[in-house]
Amino acid sequence: DAGVTQSPTHLIKTRGQQVTLRCSPKSGHDTVSWYQQALGQGPQFIFQYYEEEERQRGNFPDRFSGHQFPNYSSELNVNALLLGDSALYLCASSYTTGGYTFGSGTRLTVV
Amino acid sequence: GIQVEQSPPDLILQEGANSTLRCNFSDSVNNLQWFHQNPWGQLINLFYIPSGTKQNGRLSATTVATERYSLLYISSSQTTDSGVYFCAVGEGAQKLVFGQGTRLTINP
Repeated sequence: DAGVTQSPTHLIKTRGQQVTLRCSPKSGHDTVSWYQQALGQGPQFIFQYYEEEERQRGNFPDRFSGHQFPNYSSELNVNALLLGDSALYLCASSYTTGGYTFGSGTRLTVV
Repeated sequence: GIQVEQSPPDLILQEGANSTLRCNFSDSVNNLQWFHQNPWGQLINLFYIPSGTKQNGRLSATTVATERYSLLYISSSQTTDSGVYFCAVGEGAQKLVFGQGTRLTINP
């Protein structure tokens, strides 16, 4: 049973560019959440998707957007990248109630 | 929003020692999880424990929801236990709020 799968694992982008990160949830899970973890900090909630709609959003600018597909997989898009967007981006999946399962993350470096 | 505080921020122990990590939270919660973040960044779910006590091998956790705290116990520490331990609580139905973590270093 595959857990949460994220791609790519590492990414280097230039300021001003756009990036798309991808996540496949654990089998049986229908909800996907995205988190940003800066170095030395705890993860911060970006947003959550359920039934292909954004259900809740954290304190992140509109440059951060997402999408959920009918097969429950999800994408995180970040436009107009800033140096401060460099972080580990974590995807978590869950089902209704119960705990969250996290993927290994995508480490984004903006230069 | 809900506040989550973990202590201590750093803990250095010798192999074989026992340790207790604490998580305090500011409001009632319906979800509390303990995670271990490995050196590659993955968050490994240790316990889903909104209340009560659970044990898994050398690890156990207790959450006293009425007093708004949770404890993670690690017995007979091994070097592979090193890493950052996070407590995360649910705010509403959608969001996990993480503490700042406890960095545990187990020396051989």
